[in-house]
Amino acid sequence: SQQGEEDPQALSIQEGENATMNCSYKTSINNLQWYRQNSGRGLVHLILIRSNEREKHSGRLRVTLDTSKKSSSLLITASRAADTASYFCAQGSNFGNEKLTFGTGTRLTIIP
Amino acid sequence: EPEVTQTPSHQVTQMGQEVILRCVPISNHLYFYWYRQILGQKVEFLVSFYNNEISEKSEIFDDQFSVERPDGSNFTLKIRSTKLEDSAMYFCASSGTAVPLHFGNGTRLTVT
Repeated sequence: SQQGEEDPQALSIQEGENATMNCSYKTSINNLQWYRQNSGRGLVHLILIRSNEREKHSGRLRVTLDTSKKSSSLLITASRAADTASYFCAQGSNFGNEKLTFGTGTRLTIIP
Repeated sequence: EPEVTQTPSHQVTQMGQEVILRCVPISNHLYFYWYRQILGQKVEFLVSFYNNEISEKSEIFDDQFSVERPDGSNFTLKIRSTKLEDSAMYFCASSGTAVPLHFGNGTRLTVT
C-alpha cells in the first residue's frame, strides 16, 4: 500500500453513531496528525499524537497510535451532520519546519 | 481567532503564463509552507520557508516555482510558466515554534 493511506476511502453513517477511520504509514514518525477538510475549504488541524504516545482524546475525538504496526485510528463519537467532511492523517517529521506527508483521506458522510 | 488568508480564491490562466498566488500568514508565525492538492489526489508538500529562505522543498518544486516574503507579512508562490498539470488547489500554511499548521482556504488554479 502507499504511504499514508486511510481506510476506508468513504464512510456513511447515521447521525449519533461512531465513526472510525484508520491510517497506515511506512516510515518512522515524530508525530501523527489528523486534519479535517470541508468541501472546497482548507485543512483544519484536529489532533496530534506524538510517537511516544498511544492514545489521545480531544472532545469527541479519540486517536490511537500503534508504532509497531505503523497505524493510527481516529474515532469520532456521537457523530453530527457537521462532521461530514474528508479526514486526513499526516505524518509529521519535525516540530517546527513541519513537512507533512498526507494520506489519501476518508470521505465521511453523516446521514441526519 | 487569527487565520491564514489567501488570494485570489480562484485563478484562471493560460498555459505559459506566470501566476502569483498570495498568502497572509498568521502574524507571529515563523514557518511558512505551500502545499497543493490536485483534484481527487493527496495533499502534497511543495516548500517550507523559514528565516527568509527555503528550508525544504519537494521534487515538485522545480525551477518554475519560487517563493518570496516581500514585505514581512505576505508570502507568495510564483509559477513562472504554467503548465496544464499545475492545475490544482494551492494551500498556504503557517506555524509557530510548534505544530500544528494553520492552513488557508486555498487558491484554485486552473490552467487552460
